[in-house]
Amino acid sequence: GENVEQHPSTLSVQEGDSAVIKCTYSDSASNYFPWYKQELGKRPQLIIDIRSNVGEKKDQRIAVTLNKTAKHFSLHITETQPEDSAVYFCAASIIGGNNRLAFGKGNQVVVIP
Amino acid sequence: GAVVSQHPSRVICKSGTSVKIECRSLDFQATTMFWYRQFPKKSLMLMATSNEGSKATYEQGVEKDKFLINHASLTLSTLTVTSAHPEDSSFYICSARDAGRDFSYEQYFGPGTRLTVT
Repeated sequence: GENVEQHPSTLSVQEGDSAVIKCTYSDSASNYFPWYKQELGKRPQLIIDIRSNVGEKKDQRIAVTLNKTAKHFSLHITETQPEDSAVYFCAASIIGGNNRLAFGKGNQVVVIP
Repeated sequence: GAVVSQHPSRVICKSGTSVKIECRSLDFQATTMFWYRQFPKKSLMLMATSNEGSKATYEQGVEKDKFLINHASLTLSTLTVTSAHPEDSSFYICSARDAGRDFSYEQYFGPGTRLTVT
């Protein structure tokens, strides 16, 4: 089955700097890669996603890049703000029906004011 | 839009008893819902996929007789932890897919249920 790895597990950045989180996946047939943000005490929410036919996608200060050959994708946050502090989960689609997702373990991002 | 609720938010039960957790999609229909267990080190482990009107599909290593799932309507799935033990204590979180967006993978998460078994 699909195995998704995330690193680093914790990332601290100064406010205004950029943050990059990388995920690797194992199943080359996966075709959908979302990123979810979970703030403390709240539910995970989708912030950006990318399909396998696209190499990069941007939405204001966040972007996701996909390298299908290497089987990794990354989340880029520019001009970080304190409200970006959260746990970020990457996921990859599981082939085999029901549109299931395999999640990584999560990255704790801390933006230092 | 796309709001998912869970009930209860917290529950404490005695070892050996059963606990039911509800997951509801409030403003959309969900033919597919998912149940996850979120561990202390933050990972979201998929336990099972709940399909309206049919049996749930369990991930490898998850005991279907231990974690009973019922998806009786397009807006409600329930997870029953039977004969609970302290090691079942965890954060259980559900998510739902919008049936009106059949080709979408996006999942809308509930707020989670903190289960403590004493």
